[in-house]
Amino acid sequence: QKEVEQDPGPLSVPEGAIVSLNCTYSNSAFQYFMWYRQYSRKGPELLMYTYSSGNKEDGRFTAQVDKSSKYISLFIRDSQPSDSATYLCAVFYMDTGRRALTFGSGTRLQVQP
Amino acid sequence: NAGVTQTPKFQVLKTGQSMTLQCAQDMNHEYMSWYRQDPGMGLRLIHYSVGAGITDQGEVPNGYNVSRSTTEDFPLRLLSAAPSQTSVYFCASSYRGSGVDQPQHFGDGTRLSIL
Repeated sequence: QKEVEQDPGPLSVPEGAIVSLNCTYSNSAFQYFMWYRQYSRKGPELLMYTYSSGNKEDGRFTAQVDKSSKYISLFIRDSQPSDSATYLCAVFYMDTGRRALTFGSGTRLQVQP
Repeated sequence: NAGVTQTPKFQVLKTGQSMTLQCAQDMNHEYMSWYRQDPGMGLRLIHYSVGAGITDQGEVPNGYNVSRSTTEDFPLRLLSAAPSQTSVYFCASSYRGSGVDQPQHFGDGTRLSIL
């Protein structure tokens, strides 16, 4: 079983729609939860990170974590064509002498104008 | 401020050849890492370094070597290229410290094909 599971999509939505992207993870030791956005032929860039259960908002983006069910989500409101990209979830664990950052395989999003 | 710079952007190799992928950052980040990205597999950590002179293995280190002689540079060497190493390679850097240093800065990748 992969440590982080993510539906690869592609997900196609009309402009203005609310988008929901989701991941599940298997290890309850993970401490931080992140979403990266990756445009075609570019490196990933960090969108948001959180370390607690609940919601975190940043503009049109909301990251949601449910540690009890090991489920993380990213919501995009009023989606724009410029949001078309691959979205990667990532989970992070750090302890003395050891750190691990594990990525999901990414969900490709296409926002149609 | 260039961020993380990777060279070359594209490369085609024959099986058995060796090469070095270059990575440089100008943000004075202590932590640098190499990932490979394959369809359906996500990003997988190859090697990482927490500072000059210190390197360690990640999830998929076999067939790759790294060294860190300066803070700025972290080259990745393929010793004897194999078709299974066909992938997109990303270098990343970040500050060392608490977990919130994980917002890593990625380069734009090197697309490598092994024939």
